[in-house]
Amino acid sequence: EDKVVQSPLSLVVHEGDTVTLNCSYEVTNFRSLLWYKQEKKAPTFLFMLTSSGIEKKSGRLSSILDKKELFSILNITATQTGDSAIYLCAVEAYYGGSQGNLIFGKGTKLSVKP
Amino acid sequence: DAGVIQSPRHEVTEMGQEVTLRCKPISGHNSLFWYRQTMMRGLELLIYFNNNVPIDDSGMPEDRFSAKMPNASFSTLKIQPSEPRDSAVYFCASRRTGHEKLFFGSGTQLSVL
Repeated sequence: EDKVVQSPLSLVVHEGDTVTLNCSYEVTNFRSLLWYKQEKKAPTFLFMLTSSGIEKKSGRLSSILDKKELFSILNITATQTGDSAIYLCAVEAYYGGSQGNLIFGKGTKLSVKP
Repeated sequence: DAGVIQSPRHEVTEMGQEVTLRCKPISGHNSLFWYRQTMMRGLELLIYFNNNVPIDDSGMPEDRFSAKMPNASFSTLKIQPSEPRDSAVYFCASRRTGHEKLFFGSGTQLSVL
C-alpha cells in the first residue's frame, strides 16, 4: 500500500530558528512529490519535486528530493510567526499509465513563537 | 479565476440526517478530488474523477457515502445517513490533466451531533 510519512508531527520553535521537516514515502510508480502549507483553511501549494538532488527555493523556504532513499526535506530558515502552519507532503503515482491521485502525509504542525 | 468553490462552509446536522456537500471546480480543470481531513487521520482521499468519470473510489468509507459529477462544473458528495464519526473537514480540489498542482477549495466543516 502506498504511504507517505512525515516527521515530526509537531514542532515548536522561536523566531529566527531554522527548521527541517521530513517526508518519506513508499509509492509504486512515483511521479512527483509536492509540499503544501495549510494555515486556517485550504492547503496552498509550495513546491513540486520530480528529480533527485535539485533544490527548489522560494525565499526562506527550500526543498530537495532523494529518489534513491525515498524522502524529501523542507527547510525554513529565519522562521517567522507567519510560518506557523501545518506543512503537508504529498506524493503522486502513475495510475494505469497516466496521472494518479495525490497521497498525503498527516502533516507537520509548526508553531513559531515570538 | 474564482478558485474551487465549496458549499456550505459549515454544516451542523443530527445523526441519521442526509448531508450533501457541493463543489465547483476551476473552469478548465478536468480532474476533481474529494478529501476528508481529521486530526487523527490527516488528509484522506475519498474519490477522484477524471473528465467526470470516477477513477478511484477506494477511499470512500462505506455505502453511506456517494459522489457524483454530472458535468464538468459541479460535483456532490452525499452522506446518508450521517454519523458522528463523519465529523471532519471535507475538501474538494481540482487540477488540469498533465499538471500535478492541485487547487483546494476552502472546505466544508461538517459536525454530526
